[in-house]
Amino acid sequence: DAGVTQSPTHLIKTRGQQVTLRCSPKSGHDTVSWYQQALGQGPQFIFQYYEEEERQRGNFPDRFSGHQFPNYSSELNVNALLLGDSALYLCASSLGGTLVGEQFFGPGTRLTVL
Amino acid sequence: DAKTTQPPSMDCAEGRAANLPCNHSTISGNEYVYWYRQIHSQGPQYIIHGLKNNETNEMASLIITEDRKSSTLILPHATLRDTAVYYCIVRARHNTNAGKSTFGDGTTLTVKP
Repeated sequence: DAGVTQSPTHLIKTRGQQVTLRCSPKSGHDTVSWYQQALGQGPQFIFQYYEEEERQRGNFPDRFSGHQFPNYSSELNVNALLLGDSALYLCASSLGGTLVGEQFFGPGTRLTVL
Repeated sequence: DAKTTQPPSMDCAEGRAANLPCNHSTISGNEYVYWYRQIHSQGPQYIIHGLKNNETNEMASLIITEDRKSSTLILPHATLRDTAVYYCIVRARHNTNAGKSTFGDGTTLTVKP
């Protein structure tokens, strides 16, 4: 049984570009949350998707958007990249569209913005 | 979500119990206490959670004070593989201000031989 998978593993972009990160949740999970983790800091909550809708959102600008597909997989899109967007982006899957309950994290995508 | 306060670092001898404290003095009645850990270069791993009562599973024990303003994660017999950053988080089922629904800087636990 595959756990949470994310792609790509690493990504290098330049300022102003757009990026799309992908996440497949753990089998049987219907909820996907995205986090940004800057170097040396804890993960910061970006948003959560459940039933193909954004249900909850952290303090991130509209440049950060997402999507959830009928198979529960999810994408994170970031437009107009800034140097400060360089971070590890983590996807977590869970059940039921809430913030409680056990979340299973993927290995992350390391984004570098030059 | 309530804010949490954890010591930045702790050491523990291998085979001894590791006791990691967390203060969450502004916790609300509907907020749970969660613990995760993150080993270098990996995603966070769920450890345990609780609301009011103490909890135990195969990984750890969670002790929550009666007033719920603080908690302690106990790793009963720490091993070198328990070296990681440990995060204490409090969160409700739904959070209209989920900007705080985030991990703090955690406690870096170093288990030494």
